[in-house]
Amino acid sequence: AQKVTQAQTEISVVEKEDVTLDCVYETRDTTYYLFWYKQPPSGELVFLIRRNSFDEQNEISGRYSWNFQKSTSSFNFTITASQVVDSAVYFCALSEFGNAGNMLTFGGGTRLMVKP
Amino acid sequence: GAVVSQHPSRVICKSGTSVKIECRSLDFQATTMFWYRQFPKKSLMLMATSNEGSKATYEQGVEKDKFLINHASLTLSTLTVTSAHPEDSSFYICSARSRGRSNQPQHFGDGTRLSIL
Repeated sequence: AQKVTQAQTEISVVEKEDVTLDCVYETRDTTYYLFWYKQPPSGELVFLIRRNSFDEQNEISGRYSWNFQKSTSSFNFTITASQVVDSAVYFCALSEFGNAGNMLTFGGGTRLMVKP
Repeated sequence: GAVVSQHPSRVICKSGTSVKIECRSLDFQATTMFWYRQFPKKSLMLMATSNEGSKATYEQGVEKDKFLINHASLTLSTLTVTSAHPEDSSFYICSARSRGRSNQPQHFGDGTRLSIL
């Protein structure tokens, strides 16, 4: 069975601070995908990144970066120089490749509040 | 890019009313659509997987007679909350996966906020 844990339920930072959101996952599959989604107050889910289990390269996209460590089953997300617009709930999710339809299992989410 | 349209975005209705939510893939065919439910300040929980032309697969604990899912075409899945009660108030989100593109991320609708009075 797959499981995703986001231990931080809420994080509050001041604008321009860097912040890391943790994500730890459990799966028995050797082939799987990891995702991060952003959910602003309006409710829609915004896709941020997908990483497959064979690609442990870290990725950087603007102020966002992701650190995938298979050895610790973690897929952490860092926002550099945070901005007020980054305030949202962020979800980490896992999809096992062999899962019918590739259903997603979401972590509990981390609410990020960036204060001016 | 691919877009999923979910309608309506918000529903407020009386207890006992049945509510239908539509999920459409606008520029791709979706053999599989997923329905999620999100309580306030909680994560998204998968309710059911909807496959075109066949019965939906419901997650444990989800009442199939309460949440009717129909996936009659490759671009449309509907979720009907039958005889809704206040405890059914929630945020419902659908997602769709492109046909033949199992290695692509799902595309999410913008969600439906359901409030039962």
